[in-house]
Amino acid sequence: KAGVTQTPRYLIKTRGQQVTLSCSPISGHRSVSWYQQTPGQGLQFLFEYFSETQRNKGNFPGRFSGRQFSNSRSEMNVSTLELGDSALYLCASSLAERGAEQFFGPGTRLTVL
Amino acid sequence: GQQLNQSPQSMFIQEGEDVSMNCTSSSIFNTWLWYKQDPGEGPVLLIALYKAGELTSNGRLTAQFGITRKDSFLNISASIPSDVGIYFCAGQSQGTYKYIFGTGTRLKVLA
Repeated sequence: KAGVTQTPRYLIKTRGQQVTLSCSPISGHRSVSWYQQTPGQGLQFLFEYFSETQRNKGNFPGRFSGRQFSNSRSEMNVSTLELGDSALYLCASSLAERGAEQFFGPGTRLTVL
Repeated sequence: GQQLNQSPQSMFIQEGEDVSMNCTSSSIFNTWLWYKQDPGEGPVLLIALYKAGELTSNGRLTAQFGITRKDSFLNISASIPSDVGIYFCAGQSQGTYKYIFGTGTRLKVLA
């Protein structure tokens, strides 16, 4: 069974630009969660999608948004990039039940110049 | 954002030694997960715990769900160089689908 895949793996953008990251979950997994990981702040929860609906949301500004498609694939978008958005963005998929194990993708390393 | 307290933050150990780390929360959790992350990669799930007092092993790794449901512990026996990495705990409380992550324990093994 293929794992969680994320594209692209690396991305360099400049301040003010916008970016879209993609995540394909493990087959059969309907929940997709996104996290931002930085050295200073650790793993911070961005949002979780289930059945094309945002089910949970973290404490990030509105510049961070996401969506999920009918095949459970998910995208996240960051608009008006800031230097502080440089981070490893991780996607995790799971079955939809509470307590379900989350499996992570390799991440997308975003650098904002 | 909310994070769990994990200790120690980092540790150097000799190859062959046993390692212990723990994670504490002010909230009660129904599920605890333990992950290992290598540089530049995503975290890999090691062990999942679902009941207070539960003890679960995965090879040389053993994790326990604390009786109070506010803590969890991970032990690594007879460490080897490939155990190097950052270990994270994650907890999920009742009524939510969201996981809260610990601050991580960075493990370095001296051969």
